[in-house]
Amino acid sequence: NAGVTQTPKFQVLKTGQSMTLQCAQDMNHEYMSWYRQDPGMGLRLIHYSVGAGITDQGEVPNGYNVSRSTTEDFPLRLLSAAPSQTSVYFCASSYSPAANTEAFFGQGTRLTVV
Amino acid sequence: EDKVVQSPLSLVVHEGDTVTLNCSYEVTNFRSLLWYKQEKKAPTFLFMLTSSGIEKKSGRLSSILDKKELFSILNITATQTGDSAIYLCAVEDYGGSQGNLIFGKGTKLSVKP
Repeated sequence: NAGVTQTPKFQVLKTGQSMTLQCAQDMNHEYMSWYRQDPGMGLRLIHYSVGAGITDQGEVPNGYNVSRSTTEDFPLRLLSAAPSQTSVYFCASSYSPAANTEAFFGQGTRLTVV
Repeated sequence: EDKVVQSPLSLVVHEGDTVTLNCSYEVTNFRSLLWYKQEKKAPTFLFMLTSSGIEKKSGRLSSILDKKELFSILNITATQTGDSAIYLCAVEDYGGSQGNLIFGKGTKLSVKP
């Protein structure tokens, strides 16, 4: 059982480049979300999705896009990378936003923008 | 504004000590409070608390929620070096049909041999 799989694990981008962080889960979870974790800031919600075709903004959405065409996949796109987006990114999923269930996290993507 | 505040932000203890980590919250649509342990990579789930006064226990770790005073504590007894990690507290905000996790900044626990 793979759980939540994120790729890549590490990435270095130049300012202005674009890229997509991949997230896939095989648990048939409805709810998926992206967080960024910065030193001293905890985890902050970027975007989330409550089901295929439905996405919404979290606390820090600027500079990122998401889509949810299938239940399994929830990619995060950086449109034009900036040094301020240097961070560790976590994807998480849970069974349903309407149920008291834990969130399962991917292993994270460490992104550096130079 | 909804917020979750953890204290202390960092803590250094010696093996065998008992520690108490604190989490207070101000969240309009509270659904549950969760504790996670984060070592090098992904946070791993420890506890979910929904009701006041009911202690959840797992080995040397235990946690309790007070919904009247809006806080939770995580206790670790007889600490070991393997307990060294960042402990994250999160509150599920059940606003409308979405349930989002609002995280505190974490408590970094270092256990010295």
